Amino acid sequence: KQEVTQIPAALSVPEGENLVLNCSFTDSAIYNLQWFRQDPGKGLTSLLLIQSSQREQTSGRLNASLDKSSGRSTLYIAASQPGDSATYLCAVKRGTSGSRLTFGEGTQLTVNP
Amino acid sequence: EAGVAQSPRYKIIEKRQSVAFWCNPISGHATLYWYQQILGQGPKLLIQFQNNGVVDDSQLPKDRFSAERLKGVDSTLKIQPAKLEDSAVYLCASSLVVNTEAFFGQGTRLTVV
Repeated sequence: KQEVTQIPAALSVPEGENLVLNCSFTDSAIYNLQWFRQDPGKGLTSLLLIQSSQREQTSGRLNASLDKSSGRSTLYIAASQPGDSATYLCAVKRGTSGSRLTFGEGTQLTVNP
Repeated sequence: EAGVAQSPRYKIIEKRQSVAFWCNPISGHATLYWYQQILGQGPKLLIQFQNNGVVDDSQLPKDRFSAERLKGVDSTLKIQPAKLEDSAVYLCASSLVVNTEAFFGQGTRLTVV
């Protein structure tokens, strides 16, 4: 059974800092990994999708890396802004057709002005 | 491109009552998911459809939850009778095909009192 863990559970940083959110998963036979952002009371917004054959994906100030063999992914946020405050979730899809997305419990990020 | 639409946004019911949620996926998306997100936790898959067929309903409490996706487009999720522990956000998501990027709706926040 795939288990996904996100550390830390909560993080508070001053504006302008670069930061790293961590995601680990127990079964390395994944098809892809997706990072989401969730604002309070809202649904999930997809940030980055990394296929199992890829090592990283970038979008603006966000960079996600994937190391399948060690069961880890990181989300790097450069020059953080108060608008980045949200909960960040990672989810993995197993390497079989039709498999579900398994989510971690998220990292709640607060960027202070 | 319109996103995933869900209604209602909020619902408050008494325990033992029934409730239904509606989801309209992104046009052309064959795969549709219903997730349950309890406060402070990551989303958990309830049921996954491919067109109008069920791919995965292993975590759906079938004694009280049911879902259908008629004509492979819109979907409804029903709870009957509701329990206090069903209080959660119910998220609908869709993807073009089963292993591509998933897009989520805003969710329906259910409170059972």
